[in-house]
This record gives sequence, C-alpha cells and structure tokens, in this order.
Amino acid sequence: SQTIHQWPATLVQPVGSPLSLECTVEGTSNPNLYWYRQAAGRGLQLLFYSVGIGQISSEVPQNLSASRPQDRQFILSSKKLLLSDSGFYLCAWSVEAPGAVEKLFFGSGTQLSVL
Amino acid sequence: RKEVEQDPGPFNVPEGATVAFNCTYSNSASQSFFWYRQDCRKEPKLLMSVYSSGNEDGRFTAQLNRASQYISLLIRDSKLSDSATYLCAVRGYGGATNKLIFGTGTLLAVQP
Repeated sequence: SQTIHQWPATLVQPVGSPLSLECTVEGTSNPNLYWYRQAAGRGLQLLFYSVGIGQISSEVPQNLSASRPQDRQFILSSKKLLLSDSGFYLCAWSVEAPGAVEKLFFGSGTQLSVL
Repeated sequence: RKEVEQDPGPFNVPEGATVAFNCTYSNSASQSFFWYRQDCRKEPKLLMSVYSSGNEDGRFTAQLNRASQYISLLIRDSKLSDSATYLCAVRGYGGATNKLIFGTGTLLAVQP
C-alpha cells in the first residue's frame, strides 16, 4: 500500500533562516506531488505541484521554492524565512489512472512557526 | 467569487442529530468532487468521493447538484467522534495536473 512521509512534524525557525521540508512517497511510482499551506483559520492554499522529476509548477509568487530530485521525493525550501511563512505545510500525492477518479492523499504535515 | 465556498460554521448539534453541509463551486466544468475530514492540527483525510448519482457510506451521504453547482454532505446519527472540520474539494477540467481546490471548511461540534 502507498504511504507518504513528511518531516519534521513541528519546526520553529527565526526570521531570515533557511528552510527545508522533505516529503517521500512509498508504494507507487510517478505520482503527482503537491505542497499546500494552511494558515491559521484559512483554507488550503496550493503552493507547488510536480508531475515528474525536475518538473515544478508554482501557483503563487512567494518566498518559497520546491524541488523534486527523485520520483518520490518532494522538497520545499526557502533561503530566508519571513514571518508570513508561518503555517501548516502539507505534502500530498495523487496518481492518475485511466477510468479512475484521481484522489489526493496528504502527509501528516509540518507546523512551521517563524519567530 | 471564490472557486469553492463553504459555510464556516460552527455547526453545534446534539448527539444523534442529522446535519448537512453544502459547498458551492464556481467552475461549471468541474469534474471531480470530494469531502475531506480534518481534525485539529492534523492532515485532511479523504472521507468520500462524490458521484453524480449520489453515494452513501454508512451514516454519510454525499450528493452532487450540477445544475446549481453545489455538493452536499449529510451525516446521520451524529457521534461525538464526528466533531471535526469538513472540507469540500473540487477538481476542475483541463491542465496537466487537474488541481484540487479546497473550501475553507465547515466546523462541526457534536455535543453530548
């Protein structure tokens, strides 16, 4: 069965520090991968998605970047964190299959606090 | 207008009650619809897909109304454990990734 691992679970970082969040998926190949952010009291905002290795699409201009160095690995980074980067970051995956509804599954999330 | 809208609630209901949530979407070409459940400080978990003819999973019933562009979730015989935020999600048509757009969620609090 497929599983998704995301770490760390919580992170407290000072303003201006770098960030690296990692996500890996097991039990499937060539998944679509996503990074979402959920700010306090707000909905899920799609930040990046990837349909393959090295293929990254950004949804909103921001202080963050994403990379996909391997098929089942997705990394979210920042060179210098801002206070506004605080939030709950969620990695997610899906797989397209002919005739099937494509469903999205989330990792356990990282609660990032930038102070 | 937001792409996907939900009443944020909270919906406070007694145990055993029936409660219904609606979610409206703006893109008439949307193809796939889902309900997720999210507990506090946890990730959203897929509750059920929503099919054109409506579908049921135990105490949960999901329906789609394409003409009025909304989906609904009905929970019968509410349990304390049903307390959570319920997110609707809609996938549009077209684009390489068929991105899933989420509503902001409806908070349900089931009271003893």
